[in-house]
Amino acid sequence: GAVVSQHPSRVICKSGTSVKIECRSLDFQATTMFWYRQFPKQSLMLMATSNEGSKATYEQGVEKDKFLINHASLTLSTLTVTSAHPEDSSFYICSARTLRETQYFGPGTRLLVL
Amino acid sequence: LAKTTQPISMDSYEGQEVNITCSHNNIATNDYITWYQQFPSQGPRFIIQGYKTKVTNEVASLFIPADRKSSTLSLPRVSLSDTAVYYCLVGDMAEAGRRALTFGSGTRLQVQP
Repeated sequence: GAVVSQHPSRVICKSGTSVKIECRSLDFQATTMFWYRQFPKQSLMLMATSNEGSKATYEQGVEKDKFLINHASLTLSTLTVTSAHPEDSSFYICSARTLRETQYFGPGTRLLVL
Repeated sequence: LAKTTQPISMDSYEGQEVNITCSHNNIATNDYITWYQQFPSQGPRFIIQGYKTKVTNEVASLFIPADRKSSTLSLPRVSLSDTAVYYCLVGDMAEAGRRALTFGSGTRLQVQP
């Protein structure tokens, strides 16, 4: 199947700092990428939909000024958590859509804000 | 996307066949059924997708009855490494490709030695 990578896989930062997470589709072009967040023992919750070359669409309750999304190319989308706080600690997962419409997920990024 | 209902958890032993059933009573004509597997601290992994009857790949089989109001993921001869959460999702793939997949609670499968 198609491969989606994320970097970094794990990050620890101090409260108030910003963290950037990259999502790449390695062997296909993805016009649409999605960002999810998952807390322990819970299911994935959609944060935003990222379309190449346009502004991201955020789900209700997700602050667009806090979670900055950039989808500059067909193979890369970035999520920047600005002024991170301990409550932002979570598992962030991206997914990308292939031409066959199936969505493939990245391995996730574990964020811990101290 | 159509709402799905799955058992919260299931237990099995190594070597057994495991069948996880998902109910989707309001599935639409254009909807496909897709199953994902998720291990702790990893992203969901695509397992199988189908529209009707039976689909089989190297990992699993997917059985879909004629009315398509339910589907069953069948994992043959499970091993300890199959311990994971399994998600059933239903939706129009053309639409779902442009819209995000909505995850339910999934089924937590625990395989014992």
